[in-house]
Amino acid sequence: AQKITQTQPGMFVQEKEAVTLDCTYDTSDPSYGLFWYKQPSSGEMIFLIYQGSYDQQNATEGRYSLNFQKARKSANLVISASQLGDSAMYFCAMRERGYGGSQGNLIFGKGTKLSVKP
Amino acid sequence: ETGVTQTPRHLVMGMTNKKSLKCEQHLGHNAMYWYKQSAKKPLELMFVYNFKEQTENNSVPSRFSPECPNSSHLFLHLHTLQPEDSALYLCASSQPGDYGYTFGSGTRLTVV
Repeated sequence: AQKITQTQPGMFVQEKEAVTLDCTYDTSDPSYGLFWYKQPSSGEMIFLIYQGSYDQQNATEGRYSLNFQKARKSANLVISASQLGDSAMYFCAMRERGYGGSQGNLIFGKGTKLSVKP
Repeated sequence: ETGVTQTPRHLVMGMTNKKSLKCEQHLGHNAMYWYKQSAKKPLELMFVYNFKEQTENNSVPSRFSPECPNSSHLFLHLHTLQPEDSALYLCASSQPGDYGYTFGSGTRLTVV
């Protein structure tokens, strides 16, 4: 079963506007971390933002914020004031804490290609 | 400068060639990973090393052979690859107890 679902293969947004990229996840582990990565055409995976399952507040990092709705198992990324340089693939990922002190591996969704229009 | 360096950035190899991908990190991390990224597919975890020991092999064909001589270096030795092995190969590292991974820029491999 797919653990990370990104339902938007591609998104367009006008420069300077906000955009929301969707992510839902599936886990029975009470402790986990949620991540968003950006991958420009160069290939590098750039860490954007992290949300812990026990964090009470939504994570924010500059223009990025994570809309965490735990009951719905959703972790949407909101990018405010889009810039041309935001055009890239965006991946949602999850890492479960696991039991017995071991941690699960980082698993990824299929990604969303964001295109920012001037 | 990401802290995780992969070489080469691009590689074209024939099906009968033998080549190696290299990954190096100077972050003091003790876990290292190889991921494969094919077009229109999620990233696939290939191998996991913790403290130089391989702890996971996700049913990867034997034509891919990893090596981790120390906690800072990770290699992926390639031999008799198939065209469908063409992909972006990403290396990552992490510290036990931390959730996040740091990725390198990847090696874009083309098998001809």
